[in-house]
Amino acid sequence: SSELTQDPAVSVALGQTVRITCQGDSLRSYYASWYQQKPGQAPVLVIYGKNNRPSGIPDRFSGSSSGNTASLTITGAQAEDEADYYCNSRDSSGKGWVFGGGTKLTVL
Amino acid sequence: QITLKESGPTLVKPTQTLTLTCTFSGFSLSTSGVGVGWIRQPPGKALEWLALIYWDDDKRYSPSLKSRLTITKDTSKNQVVLTMTNMDPVDTATYYCAHQHTYYDSSAIDYWGQGTLVTVSS
Repeated sequence: SSELTQDPAVSVALGQTVRITCQGDSLRSYYASWYQQKPGQAPVLVIYGKNNRPSGIPDRFSGSSSGNTASLTITGAQAEDEADYYCNSRDSSGKGWVFGGGTKLTVL
Repeated sequence: QITLKESGPTLVKPTQTLTLTCTFSGFSLSTSGVGVGWIRQPPGKALEWLALIYWDDDKRYSPSLKSRLTITKDTSKNQVVLTMTNMDPVDTATYYCAHQHTYYDSSAIDYWGQGTLVTVSS
Protein backbone atom coordinates (compact mmCIF):
# COMPACT_ATOMS: atom_id res chain seq x y z
CA SER A 1 0.00 0.00 0.00
CA SER A 2 1.13 3.56 -0.75
CA GLU A 3 2.23 6.03 1.92
CA LEU A 4 -0.07 8.51 0.19
CA THR A 5 -3.75 7.57 0.17
CA GLN A 6 -6.22 8.68 -2.49
CA ASP A 7 -9.86 7.79 -3.11
CA PRO A 8 -9.96 5.35 -6.04
CA ALA A 9 -12.74 7.14 -7.89
CA VAL A 10 -14.57 10.45 -7.84
CA SER A 11 -17.26 11.83 -10.12
CA VAL A 12 -18.42 15.37 -10.86
CA ALA A 13 -21.15 16.89 -12.96
CA LEU A 14 -20.01 18.97 -15.91
CA GLY A 15 -19.26 22.53 -14.80
CA GLN A 16 -19.29 21.72 -11.09
CA THR A 17 -16.43 21.77 -8.60
CA VAL A 18 -14.61 18.67 -7.43
CA ARG A 19 -11.92 18.11 -4.82
CA ILE A 20 -9.48 15.22 -5.02
CA THR A 21 -7.61 14.48 -1.81
CA CYS A 22 -4.33 12.85 -0.84
CA GLN A 23 -3.47 11.86 2.72
CA GLY A 24 -0.11 11.04 4.23
CA ASP A 25 2.16 11.89 7.12
CA SER A 26 4.82 13.43 4.87
CA LEU A 27 2.28 16.05 3.76
CA ARG A 28 2.66 17.72 7.15
CA SER A 29 6.14 18.76 6.05
CA TYR A 30 6.13 18.75 2.24
CA TYR A 31 3.73 19.92 -0.40
CA ALA A 32 2.26 17.47 -2.86
CA SER A 33 2.49 17.77 -6.59
CA TRP A 34 -0.39 16.61 -8.77
CA TYR A 35 -0.39 14.81 -12.11
CA GLN A 36 -3.11 14.22 -14.67
CA GLN A 37 -2.89 11.09 -16.81
CA LYS A 38 -5.16 10.26 -19.71
CA PRO A 39 -5.29 6.76 -21.25
CA GLY A 40 -2.21 5.87 -23.22
CA GLN A 41 -0.41 9.09 -22.33
CA ALA A 42 2.39 10.10 -20.00
CA PRO A 43 1.37 12.01 -16.86
CA VAL A 44 1.23 15.80 -16.95
CA LEU A 45 2.11 18.04 -14.01
CA VAL A 46 -0.87 20.23 -13.06
CA ILE A 47 0.02 21.59 -9.60
CA TYR A 48 3.22 21.80 -7.55
CA GLY A 49 4.37 23.54 -4.40
CA LYS A 50 1.95 25.59 -2.35
CA ASN A 51 -0.31 26.22 -5.36
CA ASN A 52 1.69 26.63 -8.55
CA ARG A 53 0.46 25.84 -12.03
CA PRO A 54 2.87 25.14 -14.88
CA SER A 55 2.45 27.15 -18.03
CA GLY A 56 -0.51 25.93 -20.05
CA ILE A 57 -2.49 24.48 -17.16
CA PRO A 58 -5.92 26.14 -16.88
CA ASP A 59 -6.60 28.21 -13.79
CA ARG A 60 -9.56 26.02 -12.88
CA PHE A 61 -6.93 23.73 -11.32
CA SER A 62 -5.76 24.70 -7.84
CA GLY A 63 -4.01 23.08 -4.91
CA SER A 64 -4.21 23.40 -1.14
CA SER A 65 -2.96 21.64 1.95
CA SER A 66 -4.01 21.24 5.56
CA GLY A 67 -2.39 18.98 8.11
CA ASN A 68 -1.76 15.60 6.53
CA THR A 69 -4.07 16.21 3.57
CA ALA A 70 -3.36 17.78 0.21
CA SER A 71 -6.17 18.63 -2.17
CA LEU A 72 -6.51 19.27 -5.88
CA THR A 73 -9.60 21.29 -6.75
CA ILE A 74 -11.06 21.64 -10.21
CA THR A 75 -13.50 24.55 -10.34
CA GLY A 76 -15.89 24.16 -13.23
CA ALA A 77 -14.87 20.69 -14.39
CA GLN A 78 -14.76 20.14 -18.14
CA ALA A 79 -15.18 16.94 -20.11
CA GLU A 80 -11.48 16.97 -20.96
CA ASP A 81 -10.62 16.82 -17.26
CA GLU A 82 -11.77 13.21 -17.12
CA ALA A 83 -8.56 11.35 -16.28
CA ASP A 84 -6.57 9.66 -13.54
CA TYR A 85 -5.00 12.01 -11.01
CA TYR A 86 -1.97 11.18 -8.89
CA CYS A 87 -0.37 13.01 -5.97
CA ASN A 88 3.35 12.81 -5.26
CA SER A 89 5.40 13.85 -2.27
CA ARG A 90 8.26 12.79 -0.06
CA ASP A 91 8.21 9.29 1.39
CA SER A 92 8.18 8.71 5.14
CA SER A 93 11.99 8.72 5.32
CA GLY A 94 12.12 12.11 3.64
CA LYS A 95 14.82 10.81 1.34
CA GLY A 96 12.78 9.59 -1.60
CA TRP A 97 9.46 10.23 -3.26
CA VAL A 98 6.20 8.33 -3.52
CA PHE A 99 2.99 8.48 -5.53
CA GLY A 100 -0.52 8.03 -4.26
CA GLY A 101 -2.63 5.20 -5.61
CA GLY A 102 -4.44 7.51 -8.02
CA THR A 103 -8.00 8.80 -8.36
CA LYS A 104 -10.10 8.17 -11.44
CA LEU A 105 -12.16 11.27 -12.17
CA THR A 106 -15.36 10.87 -14.14
CA VAL A 107 -17.10 13.95 -15.51
CA LEU A 108 -20.81 13.27 -15.85
CA GLN B 1 12.60 22.72 -25.22
CA ILE B 2 13.09 19.87 -22.77
CA THR B 3 12.71 16.34 -24.06
CA LEU B 4 13.48 12.93 -22.60
CA LYS B 5 13.39 9.55 -24.27
CA GLU B 6 13.72 6.08 -22.82
CA SER B 7 15.48 3.25 -24.59
CA GLY B 8 16.17 -0.36 -23.77
CA PRO B 9 14.82 -3.86 -24.26
CA THR B 10 11.11 -4.43 -24.61
CA LEU B 11 11.36 -8.04 -23.43
CA VAL B 12 13.50 -9.50 -20.67
CA LYS B 13 13.53 -12.95 -19.12
CA PRO B 14 12.95 -13.60 -15.43
CA THR B 15 16.10 -13.25 -13.31
CA GLN B 16 17.78 -11.09 -15.96
CA THR B 17 19.01 -7.54 -15.36
CA LEU B 18 17.17 -4.68 -17.06
CA THR B 19 19.17 -1.70 -18.29
CA LEU B 20 17.27 1.39 -19.39
CA THR B 21 18.79 4.56 -20.78
CA CYS B 22 17.22 8.00 -20.64
CA THR B 23 18.59 10.43 -23.22
CA PHE B 24 17.56 14.02 -22.65
CA SER B 25 17.99 17.45 -24.17
CA GLY B 26 17.11 21.04 -23.35
CA PHE B 27 18.64 21.12 -19.88
CA SER B 28 21.85 20.29 -18.05
CA LEU B 29 22.10 17.78 -15.25
CA SER B 30 24.75 20.06 -13.79
CA THR B 31 22.18 22.70 -12.84
CA SER B 32 21.44 23.02 -9.13
CA GLY B 33 18.10 21.53 -8.07
CA VAL B 34 17.71 19.41 -11.17
CA GLY B 35 17.30 15.67 -11.17
CA VAL B 36 16.35 12.90 -13.57
CA GLY B 37 14.26 10.11 -12.22
CA TRP B 38 12.50 6.91 -13.18
CA ILE B 39 8.86 6.04 -12.59
CA ARG B 40 7.02 2.92 -13.71
CA GLN B 41 3.42 1.91 -14.23
CA PRO B 42 2.24 -1.69 -14.54
CA PRO B 43 -0.62 -2.11 -17.03
CA GLY B 44 -3.82 -0.73 -15.53
CA LYS B 45 -2.15 0.17 -12.25
CA ALA B 46 -0.78 3.20 -10.45
CA LEU B 47 2.45 5.10 -10.92
CA GLU B 48 5.38 3.92 -8.84
CA TRP B 49 8.39 6.16 -8.16
CA LEU B 50 11.66 4.23 -8.52
CA ALA B 51 14.79 6.36 -8.36
CA LEU B 52 16.25 9.83 -8.83
CA ILE B 53 19.73 11.20 -9.45
CA TYR B 54 20.49 14.83 -8.69
CA TRP B 55 22.80 17.30 -10.37
CA ASP B 56 25.37 16.72 -7.59
CA ASP B 57 25.26 12.91 -8.04
CA ASP B 58 23.11 12.41 -4.94
CA LYS B 59 21.01 9.30 -5.55
CA ARG B 60 17.66 8.34 -4.07
CA TYR B 61 15.83 5.04 -4.33
CA SER B 62 12.46 3.56 -3.50
CA PRO B 63 13.04 1.71 -0.21
CA SER B 64 11.13 -1.35 -1.44
CA LEU B 65 13.33 -1.71 -4.54
CA LYS B 66 16.61 -0.20 -3.35
CA SER B 67 18.48 -3.50 -3.30
CA ARG B 68 17.71 -4.07 -6.98
CA LEU B 69 18.20 -0.59 -8.44
CA THR B 70 21.20 1.43 -9.55
CA ILE B 71 20.98 4.86 -11.15
CA THR B 72 23.90 6.61 -12.81
CA LYS B 73 24.44 9.63 -15.01
CA ASP B 74 26.75 10.63 -17.82
CA THR B 75 26.51 14.40 -17.93
CA SER B 76 28.65 14.68 -21.07
CA LYS B 77 26.24 12.42 -22.98
CA ASN B 78 23.07 13.82 -21.38
CA GLN B 79 22.10 10.33 -20.29
CA VAL B 80 20.84 8.64 -17.16
CA VAL B 81 20.91 4.87 -16.83
CA LEU B 82 18.75 2.71 -14.57
CA THR B 83 19.57 -0.92 -13.90
CA MET B 84 17.19 -3.29 -12.16
CA THR B 85 18.39 -6.74 -11.23
CA ASN B 86 16.54 -10.03 -10.87
CA MET B 87 13.59 -9.10 -13.04
CA ASP B 88 10.26 -10.82 -12.38
CA PRO B 89 6.97 -10.86 -14.32
CA VAL B 90 5.52 -8.44 -11.74
CA ASP B 91 8.07 -5.88 -13.00
CA THR B 92 6.23 -5.74 -16.32
CA ALA B 93 5.41 -2.07 -16.73
CA THR B 94 5.82 1.10 -18.72
CA TYR B 95 8.99 2.76 -17.49
CA TYR B 96 9.19 6.54 -17.67
CA CYS B 97 12.16 8.82 -17.19
CA ALA B 98 11.43 12.35 -16.13
CA HIS B 99 12.95 15.73 -15.26
CA GLN B 100 12.37 16.45 -11.59
CA HIS B 101 13.08 19.82 -10.05
CA THR B 102 13.35 19.71 -6.27
CA TYR B 103 12.66 22.68 -4.01
CA TYR B 104 13.12 22.82 -0.25
CA ASP B 105 9.44 21.99 0.41
CA SER B 106 8.24 20.30 -2.78
CA SER B 107 9.18 18.98 -6.16
CA ALA B 108 7.86 19.07 -9.67
CA ILE B 109 8.19 16.25 -12.16
CA ASP B 110 7.62 18.64 -14.99
CA TYR B 111 8.80 16.81 -18.08
CA TRP B 112 8.22 13.16 -18.87
CA GLY B 113 9.45 10.83 -21.54
CA GLN B 114 6.94 8.92 -23.64
CA GLY B 115 7.61 5.75 -21.65
CA THR B 116 8.79 2.34 -22.73
CA LEU B 117 6.90 -0.89 -22.09
CA VAL B 118 9.07 -3.63 -20.65
CA THR B 119 7.62 -7.12 -20.51
CA VAL B 120 9.16 -9.79 -18.30
CA SER B 121 8.46 -13.24 -19.64
CA SER B 122 10.29 -16.43 -20.40
